[in-house]
Amino acid sequence: SAVISQKPSRDICQRGTSLTIQCQVDSQVTMMFWYRQQPGQSLTLIATANQGSEATYESGFVIDKFPISRPNLTFSTLTVSNMSPEDSSIYLCSVDSRGENTQYFGPGTRLTVL
Amino acid sequence: AQSVAQPEDQVNVAEGNPLTVKCTYSVSGNPYLFWYVQYPNRGLQFLLKYITGDNLVKGSYGFEAEFNKSQTSFHLKKPSALVSDSALYFCAVRDRNDYKLSFGAGTTVTVRA
Repeated sequence: SAVISQKPSRDICQRGTSLTIQCQVDSQVTMMFWYRQQPGQSLTLIATANQGSEATYESGFVIDKFPISRPNLTFSTLTVSNMSPEDSSIYLCSVDSRGENTQYFGPGTRLTVL
Repeated sequence: AQSVAQPEDQVNVAEGNPLTVKCTYSVSGNPYLFWYVQYPNRGLQFLLKYITGDNLVKGSYGFEAEFNKSQTSFHLKKPSALVSDSALYFCAVRDRNDYKLSFGAGTTVTVRA
């Protein structure tokens, strides 16, 4: 399975600011995903990060609020823009190991917005 | 459309007793089914999956799950629970022709000593 790291592991931010979360994989992968896990909730897919093209966003998520970069096959970033307390969540990246038909997850970034 | 139901918010068992976490799913095509576990302040860890073949699949840490197509279920089981199994468990499904995972609401397992 792929080894996935995320930075930062946690952060406390002021409302109105932005935070960029990094996701690094130890091998080249075609598909990378970003999820949000709100307190006490399940995981919700934000978007699929595509290498060389714009990310594909799920209903309820927009590029202006959650811009995503995917400069190569091992790295992606998610920015949470103009944050409000409602953005306080765990943000997780995952990769799809196509050969295994399985998604593996990073350790997550715990964001608190004051 | 696809969805997952985990009917129990919480499951409490004594150490050494069998553990079962229930999951039912809905998907238009043939399913790929997964179980993940989340320990406090940790990401999701993959436990096991059903792709094809034998309906009984075995995974990490002594867990197993049985795919039942007629009941559209994929219950997670462990014959003898440990205190260290206390965590949040998620069932997930995807259609074989899609990459998007849908997660259940999660079940919190507490194993008491």
